Amino acid sequence: GENVEQHPSTLSVQEGDSAVIKCTYSDSASNYFPWYKQELGKRPQLIIDIRSNVGEKKDQRIAVTLNKTAKHFSLHITETQPEDSAVYFCAASRDTNAGKSTFGDGTTLTVKP
Amino acid sequence: SQTIHQWPATLVQPVGSPLSLECTVEGTSNPNLYWYRQAAGRGLQLLFYSVGIGQISSEVPQNLSASRPQDRQFILSSKKLLLSDSGFYLCAWSVGQGHQPQHFGDGTRLSIL
Repeated sequence: GENVEQHPSTLSVQEGDSAVIKCTYSDSASNYFPWYKQELGKRPQLIIDIRSNVGEKKDQRIAVTLNKTAKHFSLHITETQPEDSAVYFCAASRDTNAGKSTFGDGTTLTVKP
Repeated sequence: SQTIHQWPATLVQPVGSPLSLECTVEGTSNPNLYWYRQAAGRGLQLLFYSVGIGQISSEVPQNLSASRPQDRQFILSSKKLLLSDSGFYLCAWSVGQGHQPQHFGDGTRLSIL
């Protein structure tokens, strides 16, 4: 089955700096890679996703890059703000698998004002 | 628009007692449904998923079971809870095959005493 590894487990940045979170996956058939943000005690919410036919996707301060050859993808947050503080999860799935996703263990991002 | 309801929000149960957590989805038909468990500071472990009424797939051997008596209803159960069943349980839905994000409920925090 799929195995997703996420690094780092914790990340602390100063407000205004950039944050990068990286994930690797093992199943070369995986072709959909979402990122979720989970604030303390709340539900995970999708913030951005990328499909395997695209190398990069951007939405305002958030971007995701995908390297299919190396089987890794990354989340980039620029101009971080204190409200970006949360746990971020990456996931991988393939379209023949009923939407099942394998999640990374999460990264706790702290943005210091 | 689609919404997902999950209850109860918190639950404290003694070891050996039964469990029933319920999840319902509104605003969509034939969703894929999922039950996840999230241990403190960890990622999301997929427990069960369902692509249709009465169709349940189990991802990990465990003390829990799931049922889908109606198209938009997903129930997580146990006959006898163990201490290790404590955690944060999340229900989620998606539509179609992969390439679709999952939408999570607010979760149930289960404490076993």
